[in-house]
Amino acid sequence: SQKIEQNSEALNIQEGKTATLTCNYTNYSPAYLQWYRQDPGRGPVFLLLIRENEKEKRKERLKVTFDTTLKQSLFHITASQPADSATYLCAVGSSSNTGKLIFGQGTTLQVKP
Amino acid sequence: DTGVSQDPRHKITKRGQNVTFRCDPISEHNRLYWYRQTLGQGPEFLTYFQNEAQLEKSRLLSDRFSAERPKGSFSTLEIQRTEQGDSAMYLCASSDPGQGTDTQYFGPGTRLTVL
Repeated sequence: SQKIEQNSEALNIQEGKTATLTCNYTNYSPAYLQWYRQDPGRGPVFLLLIRENEKEKRKERLKVTFDTTLKQSLFHITASQPADSATYLCAVGSSSNTGKLIFGQGTTLQVKP
Repeated sequence: DTGVSQDPRHKITKRGQNVTFRCDPISEHNRLYWYRQTLGQGPEFLTYFQNEAQLEKSRLLSDRFSAERPKGSFSTLEIQRTEQGDSAMYLCASSDPGQGTDTQYFGPGTRLTVL
């Protein structure tokens, strides 16, 4: 069956360190993969998209990698800040051009000052 | 650009009642999506529209659920004969694939509690 798996345990790190979140998928061949941030009681907010033919994407302190052989994406936040504390969701898009996203369960990041 | 809006933000209802939620997408976006999210889980796809046409429905969407987008602008999601298992956050998102990606912009959600 198709699965998107993210670390279900919360990630606790110290301010200034790099946070690394993992997204693994099985039985998919996604055309692209997206990362979203979600704060409690709010809708997800888009952060980054990476396509199947891209290895790495950066935006300010954020970096995403996409390894289609390992079927894995890594999401990095460098120089983390307490304001980065949130749940981060990984989502894959199909190649069928429907735009439908399949989400992982999310990983909660807590950055301590 | 006022973003995606949803109404109401919260809804408490008794089991067996019907509820209707509204979503207003970003005005130039032709795709509109409905998702459902329960605590500790990621959003789960329910259905999507391209303009006014409903192009895909999840198998999770029982016959008690119906969605419309009559003029290709706002959309409504109705749940008939609500059950306690329907309690969740209902999220709406919109996108414009003509921009070259299908980045989805989410609304704040409607939290449904069925007593």
